[in-house]
Amino acid sequence: EADIYQTPRYLVIGTGKKITLECSQTMGHDKMYWYQQDPGMELHLIHYSYGVNSTEKGDLSSESTVSRIRTEHFPLTLESARPSHTSQYLCASSPSGFSGANVLTFGAGSRLTVL
Amino acid sequence: ILNVEQSPQSLHVQEGDSTNFTCSFPSSNFYALHWYRWETAKSPEALFVMTLNGDEKKKGRISATLNTKEGYSYLYIKGSQPEDSATYLCASTGFQKLVFGTGTRLLVSP
Repeated sequence: EADIYQTPRYLVIGTGKKITLECSQTMGHDKMYWYQQDPGMELHLIHYSYGVNSTEKGDLSSESTVSRIRTEHFPLTLESARPSHTSQYLCASSPSGFSGANVLTFGAGSRLTVL
Repeated sequence: ILNVEQSPQSLHVQEGDSTNFTCSFPSSNFYALHWYRWETAKSPEALFVMTLNGDEKKKGRISATLNTKEGYSYLYIKGSQPEDSATYLCASTGFQKLVFGTGTRLLVSP
C-alpha cells in the first residue's frame, strides 16, 4: 500500500498548457523531493523542501515551480509545457534528521509527454 | 556534484544464477550509500542504507557491502529469481542530497 501518492500517473498534453503534478504523503515526513528522470539517465533532483513554506532548487535546473503549504502536499507546476519537459517525474519524502542516512520513500511517478 | 557510476548497465541471467553489481562513488566527503530496487510501473523501494566502511547488509537472498576508502559498493543476489527482475539504483551523499547512478537493469529468465 502506497504511502506517497502521485497523480496523474500518465499525462499527454499540448505545448503551452499549464500542468500541475500532485504529490501527497501520509507519513508526516518533513522532507519532500522532486526528481526528474529521462530515459536511460540518472534521477536528478530538481526541487526539495524541508518543511512547510520551505522550497529549494535542486542540482538540475528546471523551469518548474513547487509549493509547500501543507506538510503532506508538494505539488509541481509547469506554467507553459514544452516538448523538452517530456520526462518522468518522481516525488519522494523522508523523515527529519541527518539527511544522508534517511531512506527515501518514493511515489510511483508521473510520466509526462508534451506534444 | 557527486558522480555515481553503476556497472553493468544491464544484465540478463538465468533463474538460479547468482549475480552482482557495482556502484562507484567519490570517497571524499562520503556520508551514506543507498540501494533501491525499482520494478517497472512501481515505486523505487529501499533495500539498504550503509554508512560505515566494511558495512555488510543482508535481506533474504540480497546482500550488499561497502568500501568507503576506495569508493565502491557491491550488491549481490544469490540464486536469482524472475521476481528479482528490476532496475537496481544506488545513490551516494556527502551530507545533504542524494546523487543517483543510472542503475543496473536486471532481467532474470525462467
